[in-house]
Amino acid sequence: AQSVTQLDSQVPVFEEAPVELRCNYSSSVSVYLFWYVQYPNQGLQLLLKYLSGSTLVKGINGFEAEFNKSQTSFHLRKPSVHISDTAEYFCAVSESAGKSTFGDGTTLTVKP
Amino acid sequence: GAGVSQSPRYKVAKRGQDVALRCDPISGHVSLFWYQQALGQGPEFLTYFQNEAQLDKSGLPSDRFFAERPEGSVSTLKIQRTQQEDSAVYLCASSSETGFGNEQFFGPGTRLTVL
Repeated sequence: AQSVTQLDSQVPVFEEAPVELRCNYSSSVSVYLFWYVQYPNQGLQLLLKYLSGSTLVKGINGFEAEFNKSQTSFHLRKPSVHISDTAEYFCAVSESAGKSTFGDGTTLTVKP
Repeated sequence: GAGVSQSPRYKVAKRGQDVALRCDPISGHVSLFWYQQALGQGPEFLTYFQNEAQLDKSGLPSDRFFAERPEGSVSTLKIQRTQQEDSAVYLCASSSETGFGNEQFFGPGTRLTVL
């Protein structure tokens, strides 16, 4: 069975600082990995995904993530955050068509 | 429509009532998913449709939960004899493809509160 652990429930940072949101997963088979963002009162929106190929994946809004198979991690990073990046971030894993398993989310709060 | 829509956005039910939650996926999207998101947690998979066929319902928590998509477009999630533990946000998502790793487009959710 697949599972996802987001290691930080809340991450406060100052504007223009770098940020890393950590995600570890467990699965017995090859998986596909995703990061979604949820702004207040909105639906989840895909930030980026890893299917295969290069382990460094670039997404929207300047975010990137690196797949590390040996450490079963898929951490999300941004070199310089903005106030508008304040949101809930979810890491997800899929090992079959259809079903995705999500972590419990990390609340990113960017302070001025 | 431009995205996935869900109705109602908010639903308050008395314990024991039946509720029906509607999802309108993006036009032409083959795959449709339902998730349950409890407060402070990530979405949990409930069920998956490919067109009108329900291919996976392993996440439905009990036989009080029932989902259908009779014409392969709009879907309804029905909860019978609601209980307080059913209080959550119910998310619907659709995808244009059926294979692995395809982006799911999420609706805003229906927040269900059972009193």
